[in-house]
Amino acid sequence: AQSVTQLGSHVSVSEGALVLLRCNYSSSVPPYLFWYVQYPNQGLQLLLKYTSAATLVKGINGFEAEFKKSETSFHLTKPSAHMRDAAEYFCAVNRDDKIIFGKGTRLHILP
Amino acid sequence: EPEVTQTPSHQVTQMGQEVILRCVPISNHLYFYWYRQILGQKVEFLVSFYNNEISEKSEIFDDRFSVERPDGSNFTLKIRSTKLEDSAMYFCASKQRPGQASSWNSPLHFGNGTRLTVT
Repeated sequence: AQSVTQLGSHVSVSEGALVLLRCNYSSSVPPYLFWYVQYPNQGLQLLLKYTSAATLVKGINGFEAEFKKSETSFHLTKPSAHMRDAAEYFCAVNRDDKIIFGKGTRLHILP
Repeated sequence: EPEVTQTPSHQVTQMGQEVILRCVPISNHLYFYWYRQILGQKVEFLVSFYNNEISEKSEIFDDRFSVERPDGSNFTLKIRSTKLEDSAMYFCASKQRPGQASSWNSPLHFGNGTRLTVT
């Protein structure tokens, strides 16, 4: 069954530095993958989704993710972190018409 | 942009009481979901609902839980005989009908959640 694993429950980066949040998937079929963000006291907002049309997916707020089949990965990146990026980020996979989430990574931005 | 709305934002109830969490999904969506997130933990699937019936439910969704779409716009989650461990953030979500090429991988649209506190 499809699932995702997020490495690192907490990641800290300095403002202006590269953001890298890791996600690996497990799937016997081509997966549909997503990244969601949860800002404090808010719901889940879609950042981007992988649909097999392109391996590099661009999302909102300057984030992007690259699907690498050889590494079964879908890591989320942003070239330059901003204070407003501090949030919880969830990698997710579509399974049987529902979405299954990873455990989440809390991103801390250091001034 | 259309949104999923949930009410109330915060619900406090005593153990053993019944609660109803309300959601208004996006109007042209046909698949509906409830998820929950215990504080500090992952977002967990509870139930999916399509064509006026439950499509799938997780082991969390025991016989104290029920869902209903009473009037074609609201989608409710009822929890009877609440327990302390039901305390969590509950998220409603909706999406377009799957099976069509353009919507098979359509994402879920989430509401801002209802924080349920059972005392």
